[in-house]
Amino acid sequence: DAGVIQSPRHEVTEMGQEVTLRCKPISGHDYLFWYRQTMMRGLELLIYFNNNVPIDDSGMPEDRFSAKMPNASFSTLKIQPSEPRDSAVYFCASTLGGRETQYFGPGTRLLVL
Amino acid sequence: GQNIDQPTEMTATEGAIVQINCTYQTSGFNGLFWYQQHAGEAPTFLSYNVLDGLEEKGRFSSFLSRSKGYSYLLLKELQMKDSASYLCAVEGEGGKLIFGQGTELSVKP
Repeated sequence: DAGVIQSPRHEVTEMGQEVTLRCKPISGHDYLFWYRQTMMRGLELLIYFNNNVPIDDSGMPEDRFSAKMPNASFSTLKIQPSEPRDSAVYFCASTLGGRETQYFGPGTRLLVL
Repeated sequence: GQNIDQPTEMTATEGAIVQINCTYQTSGFNGLFWYQQHAGEAPTFLSYNVLDGLEEKGRFSSFLSRSKGYSYLLLKELQMKDSASYLCAVEGEGGKLIFGQGTELSVKP
């Protein structure tokens, strides 16, 4: 299996621009998680889906952040408008059954200038 | 509230043994994970404890005491490639993982 795939791997944008991060989970996995990692706050869960349905979005920082999962093989995390404090590494992870080992993608390194 | 504590950094010598501690206070507990993260890479799974006791997997072992809210990761026969960040994560309510800040381990020759 190819593992969890994320794109882009790096993104540099200017404040105010829209940013869209993409994730393809491992085939057959029914849970998908979006995390953000910074030096100050560590690894934080933003939102997770089960069978394409958002279950818990309490970690989403504010309305500028939104996430969708239109089908079992694709999810997006969108930031609009982006701000410099959104600069972080964003990871997507997937698992089967929700309470099993989570497999992380390589991450998207976002820099907002 | 949710609180997971780990030492920020540790240093050890190649070939030695190191123990990385993790204490937690969380609302709900379904298990505890340890992940390894090399600089610039994604976290990768190391171990999972749901019952009290020691789980051994090669050079790595993980211990859990649910009554004490305590876990440790034991790394034996340290190698240079073990230099990485080690993340303790508690599986709480709804299957959500709550991560500690991570312990940066440096292995010296």
